[in-house]
Amino acid sequence: SQTIHQWPATLVQPVGSPLSLECTVEGTSNPNLYWYRQAAGRGLQLLFYSVGIGQISSEVPQNLSASRPQDRQFILSSKKLLLSDSGFYLCASRGESSYNEQFFGPGTRLTVL
Amino acid sequence: SQQGEEDPQALSIQEGENATMNCSYKTSINNLQWYRQNSGRGLVHLILIRSNEREKHSGRLRVTLDTSKKSSSLLITASRAADTASYFCATDLFTGGGNKLTFGTGTQLKVEL
Repeated sequence: SQTIHQWPATLVQPVGSPLSLECTVEGTSNPNLYWYRQAAGRGLQLLFYSVGIGQISSEVPQNLSASRPQDRQFILSSKKLLLSDSGFYLCASRGESSYNEQFFGPGTRLTVL
Repeated sequence: SQQGEEDPQALSIQEGENATMNCSYKTSINNLQWYRQNSGRGLVHLILIRSNEREKHSGRLRVTLDTSKKSSSLLITASRAADTASYFCATDLFTGGGNKLTFGTGTQLKVEL
């Protein structure tokens, strides 16, 4: 099965500072990769997904961007954080088949002050 | 927007009882998946049911899918305190850009001793 690594586990950043969250995947090749954000007590909102290196699809307009420099590396970034960027960020990976389960990383809890 | 909506939002039962959670969705799907999330952690895949399946079992879990009503249910039998968590349904749809899971808002299950 796949293993998803995310770091850091928690992060406190001031408004206006940059952000870089990294996700790496083990146990698969050429996965579809996803970034989700979860507000407290809420469901998951899909932010970005990628079907291959350099291919990024954005689901919602926002202050964030994503990049996929390597097959099993997915990065979430921001040039200037907003208070509304606070939340729990989850990276996920799945195979290409539509009948594959999605594996999630442990998440990063971001607090913007 | 959230594709799946779980019902109830919160459920409290005694250990040994069965827990039933429901999920409704709006559009056609390839499959529907159920996930579990312990507080502050990543999501764990529980079960996947394809659009041409009506019922599926995995241990103490039973999932049903009614595509005509666009609804699914998750039954946990003989619940344990360790089942306390949030449970999410997610609908899977293949788009031109790849597979995407859309999550509901979740049901918070509390199993008391």
